[in-house]
Amino acid sequence: SQQGEEDPQALSIQEGENATMNCSYKTSINNLQWYRQNSGRGLVHLILIRSNEREKHSGRLRVTLDTSKKSSSLLITASRAADTASYFCATDGSYGQNFVFGPGTRLSVLP
Amino acid sequence: GAVVSQHPSRVICKSGTSVKIECRSLDFQATTMFWYRQFPKKSLMLMATSNEGSKATYEQGVEKDKFLINHASLTLSTLTVTSAHPEDSSFYICSATLGSMGTEAFFGQGTRLTVV
Repeated sequence: SQQGEEDPQALSIQEGENATMNCSYKTSINNLQWYRQNSGRGLVHLILIRSNEREKHSGRLRVTLDTSKKSSSLLITASRAADTASYFCATDGSYGQNFVFGPGTRLSVLP
Repeated sequence: GAVVSQHPSRVICKSGTSVKIECRSLDFQATTMFWYRQFPKKSLMLMATSNEGSKATYEQGVEKDKFLINHASLTLSTLTVTSAHPEDSSFYICSATLGSMGTEAFFGQGTRLTVV
């Protein structure tokens, strides 16, 4: 079943602007991950944040986690047209190694 | 990083035929792999958990006789879509994780199945 819910579901911005995507989940987690998917392609792992972490950075990416609100955000700074893709958050699944994915945010960065 | 290879990347088949999709962990052993299905513009839904040397565990609503999973070795899991129907057209993705604590997962490139 779907646990994570991304918000917004679709986002269009101009190149150079920042893009913020949010994810909410329902149950307690060990970690939360963000993935990127270009149209019709596989998933690319972006960043993992553990339940005891509040913020993590990787290049132009910044992820926050608020376990009290069961939410996370992904910020992409200085966006580029190449950032156009769908972004998914994923939380621990019931089997420990699988993931429960949110519906995703389709980001379009216009040149 | 670890690599998971999925083959084929695209396949078109006729209704009623069977299609086999392979998922290989290239540089690590995976006792457990996962198969997901993704409809257009939708998220990934877990179909089944593939366990090396034992039967797969299917999620509710997934027909085990239609989606046959075999995990005969520590580096290969296969998903066979039997008696394919146009409704089975979808994007199928496998994944495997390093270690038993389920941290970063590595995903295959996905297989676009079109049943005509």
